[in-house]
Amino acid sequence: GDSVTQMEGPVTLSEEAFLTINCTYTATGYPSLFWYVQYPGEGLQLLLKATKADDKGSNKGFEATYRKETTSFHLEKGSVQVSDSAVYFCAYLWVKLTFGTGTRLTIIP
Amino acid sequence: DTGVSQDPRHKITKRGQNVTFRCDPISEHNRLYWYRQTLGQGPEFLTYFQNEAQLEKSRLLSDRFSAERPKGSFSTLEIQRTEQGDSAMYLCASSLFPARGVVMNTEAFFGQGTRLTVV
Repeated sequence: GDSVTQMEGPVTLSEEAFLTINCTYTATGYPSLFWYVQYPGEGLQLLLKATKADDKGSNKGFEATYRKETTSFHLEKGSVQVSDSAVYFCAYLWVKLTFGTGTRLTIIP
Repeated sequence: DTGVSQDPRHKITKRGQNVTFRCDPISEHNRLYWYRQTLGQGPEFLTYFQNEAQLEKSRLLSDRFSAERPKGSFSTLEIQRTEQGDSAMYLCASSLFPARGVVMNTEAFFGQGTRLTVV
């Protein structure tokens, strides 16, 4: 069935390091792809999205490209900050929104 | 319209009691979803509606759980005879599933959730 496989955490990086969180999916149809972020004690927030192949979503310095040929939507950021510490969820939406298990990211000064 | 709203934000109940949560989606959205999230886990799908029709229910949704969306607008999620294992954050989301002939689904917007604690 449809699923999302997300890079397991936790991930700990130093400030200004390069970040990649891998995400691959198996799905039928033409899903839209998303990264959601959950900061400590807060609800889910949409970080970025891409609705068709080769689209690049970007927000707050984060980017992810919808790669249909590799069924991937990896999240990247060139220089992370302490404030980026959160749990990141990859998800796709077709019939329903399906989430990965989440990756906890901790950035140390 | 200020987005998806859920009520209450927090609920503490004794084991065995019934609880009901409400979700008001974004007004023009025809799809409404319920998810459950426990600590350290990703949101788990429970059920979703297209207008007033409940189209899919997860096997996570035992017979103690029931959801309705009577007029295709707000939805309620009821848990009967609550158990401690029901303690979780219950999330509601809505989206606009496009009309016939358009295959692309739009994003889902989440409410702040209802945190249930069963004691």
